[in-house]
Order: sequence, then C-alpha cells, then structure tokens
Amino acid sequence: EAQVTQNPRYLITVTGKKLTVTCSQNMNHEYMSWYRQDPGLGLRQIYYSMNVEVTDKGDVPEGYKVSRKEKRNFPLILESPSPNQTSLYFCASSNLAGRSTDTQYFGPGTRLTVL
Amino acid sequence: AQRVTQPEKLLSVFKGAPVELKCNYSYSGSPELFWYVQYSRQRLQLLLRHISRESIKGFTADLNKGETSFHLKKPFAQEEDSAMYYCALREYGNKLVFGAGTILRVKS
Repeated sequence: EAQVTQNPRYLITVTGKKLTVTCSQNMNHEYMSWYRQDPGLGLRQIYYSMNVEVTDKGDVPEGYKVSRKEKRNFPLILESPSPNQTSLYFCASSNLAGRSTDTQYFGPGTRLTVL
Repeated sequence: AQRVTQPEKLLSVFKGAPVELKCNYSYSGSPELFWYVQYSRQRLQLLLRHISRESIKGFTADLNKGETSFHLKKPFAQEEDSAMYYCALREYGNKLVFGAGTILRVKS
C-alpha cells in the first residue's frame, strides 16, 4: 500500500532534549516536506527536499533540521526543543515538483508536546 | 507573499442544507488551487483540485479569478462531511500554502 509513515505518533518531551521524528514513503517520490499545524494558522512548511541531499528552508525553519540521505526517508530533527514547538507535525511527499497533476500524500501526523 | 484566506473558523449546518466553505487567495501568477480535508483522527487528504474540474463526494469548487476565490460547495450536506477543510495554493515547485482551515460541523 502506497503510504507515508511517521514515528512516533505522539511524543511528550522536555525542553532541550534532542529528538527526531522519522518520515518514510514507499512511493519513490522525489519531493518531501514537513509542515506544522497550529490552530488558526493552518499548515506551515518547515523544510522541504527536492531529492537526495537537496534540502531547503520553508516558511518556519527556525529550531529545526532535516536530512535526506535516502530517497524514502526525511527525518525532522529538533536539536533543542522548546515549548513553542509544541504542535502537530505532518510529513508529505509527492512526485517531481512542478507537475500540476502531482498530489501530495500526507503522513498521519505526530503530536509533539514540549514541556 | 502569496496568501490563502479562509474567513470562517467554524461552519455549522444542518444535514441536507447547502454548504459553502469560502476561500480567497492572492497570487501574482496563474494559481493552482486545492481543497484538502482532514476527518477526525485521520491524515490530511486531497479532496479536489481546480485543474481537474471534478466533483468529489458531491463537492465542487470553481476558480473565480475575478474575485480571486475558490469556494467549496455542496448542495446537500451529510453528517459524514464533518471535518476540517483546508484550501491550499501551489506556490513554486510543489510548495503548498494553506489557509487556516474551516471546521465543518453537520448537525442531524
């Protein structure tokens, strides 16, 4: 089954404790992206990747890092989490950027709470 | 900057009533617009896109360039339509810019 998976689905942590949220897709998509969803703000893009070893900042990259060592994986890293990073995080993937028929497939979401 | 505005945080209608979820955008080029839906405890999924001019689950949306709008409509709401709806605009590449979302509640 074609899908995007994220782990963990729920995470409660404390300020400053490094964490990684994994994202994996099995559709051989080139494009992958991370969003955070906050009430009243919708989804905002954190980082995206056009292909292996090609990553770039989205609209709200501060406090986050990503890597794309393999095509299928796109982990989101919070080196020193802070309470303002408490949010619902979504990973998404799609085929080559720019084709109007591309559909972005979203993962199930990771609810992160930073105390 | 490109923007997507969904003016209603919550829209509550009775079953069988018409539904219109509003979406307005600002974009300097030729826009590509989408509606995404998120049912309770489920992931975000594409509902429809303007370029396909399709009807999905009874929903339609017409791009009105003059009014810069892409409102989502359904003539008769059903309880299973209750969800969060996001309007989104494709910016450069595959980047999507989302509106703040509208919760649709269909009451029986």
